[in-house]
Amino acid sequence: NAGVMQNPRHLVRRRGQEARLRCSPMKGHSHVYWYRQLPEEGLKFMVYLQKENIIDESGMPKERFSAEFPKEGPSILRIQQVVRGDSAAYFCASSPGTASSGNTIYFGEGSWLTVV
Amino acid sequence: AQSVSQHNHHVILSEAASLELGCNYSYGGTVNLFWYVQYPGQHLQLLLKYFSGDPLVKGIKGFEAEFIKSKFSFNLRKPSVQWSDTAEYFCAVNAKNTGFQKLVFGTGTRLLVSP
Repeated sequence: NAGVMQNPRHLVRRRGQEARLRCSPMKGHSHVYWYRQLPEEGLKFMVYLQKENIIDESGMPKERFSAEFPKEGPSILRIQQVVRGDSAAYFCASSPGTASSGNTIYFGEGSWLTVV
Repeated sequence: AQSVSQHNHHVILSEAASLELGCNYSYGGTVNLFWYVQYPGQHLQLLLKYFSGDPLVKGIKGFEAEFIKSKFSFNLRKPSVQWSDTAEYFCAVNAKNTGFQKLVFGTGTRLLVSP
């Protein structure tokens, strides 16, 4: 049973380029979460999606960041016109249901974005 | 807003030493509490969680944590560490009956166990 798969694991982008991070949830999981970990900080929630729907994007920066979880395929976190401050580890997680149902959330290995 | 403090950013221990990692949270209501571990190059894994009941929670790999409500603390302990416990440990909290998107993490503690 494969876990949450993220790719790429490491990504280097020049300022102004676009970064796309992909996340395939665990089999049977329809809830996907993206977190970001800036240097010397804890993981911070960005966005929560279910298939074809954004449920909560209260943690997403207002500009340049977007996320989707299409009917088919992985969830994508897209960062346009990257800046140095976007350099961070981006973690994806999935769960089979909501936390109130007693489910557990499973994390991927993270994608490290470096903006040069 | 909730916050989580992990006071020890780096801990170095010798094998067989006892471990206690501190975690304090700030939130006035009822909470769920978690400890996650990230081994080098791997994903975050759940070590243990507290939802209700016995405040002494036992997790995987010999870890345990005690919820002390009066101190807003959820410290992680292990009586005798091994070299393979070298990892980064994260404490997390969310308010009862809220979703995983409301999980608030501490900044993590890097544990190095020397053989």
